[in-house]
Amino acid sequence: GAGVSQSPRYKVAKRGQDVALRCDPISGHVSLFWYQQALGQGPEFLTYFQNEAQLDKSGLPSDRFFAERPEGSVSTLKIQRTQQEDSAVYLCASSLGTSGDTQYFGPGTRLTVL
Amino acid sequence: AQSVSQHNHHVILSEAASLELGCNYSYGGTVNLFWYVQYPGQHLQLLLKYFSGDPLVKGIKGFEAEFIKSKFSFNLRKPSVQWSDTAEYFCAVNPRLSGGYNKLIFGAGTRLAVHP
Repeated sequence: GAGVSQSPRYKVAKRGQDVALRCDPISGHVSLFWYQQALGQGPEFLTYFQNEAQLDKSGLPSDRFFAERPEGSVSTLKIQRTQQEDSAVYLCASSLGTSGDTQYFGPGTRLTVL
Repeated sequence: AQSVSQHNHHVILSEAASLELGCNYSYGGTVNLFWYVQYPGQHLQLLLKYFSGDPLVKGIKGFEAEFIKSKFSFNLRKPSVQWSDTAEYFCAVNPRLSGGYNKLIFGAGTRLAVHP
């Protein structure tokens, strides 16, 4: 079956622009996670959704970052007024349940802010 | 704050050599433990996981990992590597906090290069 998909795969933005990154989780998966992976680092947790509810946004680096999952399936991560330090790969993962299930990762969106 | 340390950032081996990648975490409570692998040009995929029971866990492609609670370690091993094992390997920990969801804390990764 289809895995987690993300779009766009690559995004170049000028500093100050707003960007929107999309994640299509595996159908029926309750949990959805966003991670940020800087160059040479492991992924870092940004936020977690259980269906449409955003239960944890403790990893969002600033109020310029906003995520939503209005119908409990597709999710969008929005970054306003992008800065150079926002350059990273943004990973989305989904899992079937809420506890202990394997997270399946998408290919990521590589964001470069010039 | 919880953290995960991977001891080696780069490892270079010849085919048929044995592999051990170190992983230590800092969290005093109960944890779920994972190793993920990212092959060149591909996305992260699960190699193996430990939740409870036998601390020696076997995963795909001949990999195994041993959970040693007293050492807060979850080292990855493979007796004989192949060129196709060239990839980046990430150790990840999920502290079993209240709330129950599977928030992962990753190490910085180890790049493994296997030469024929």
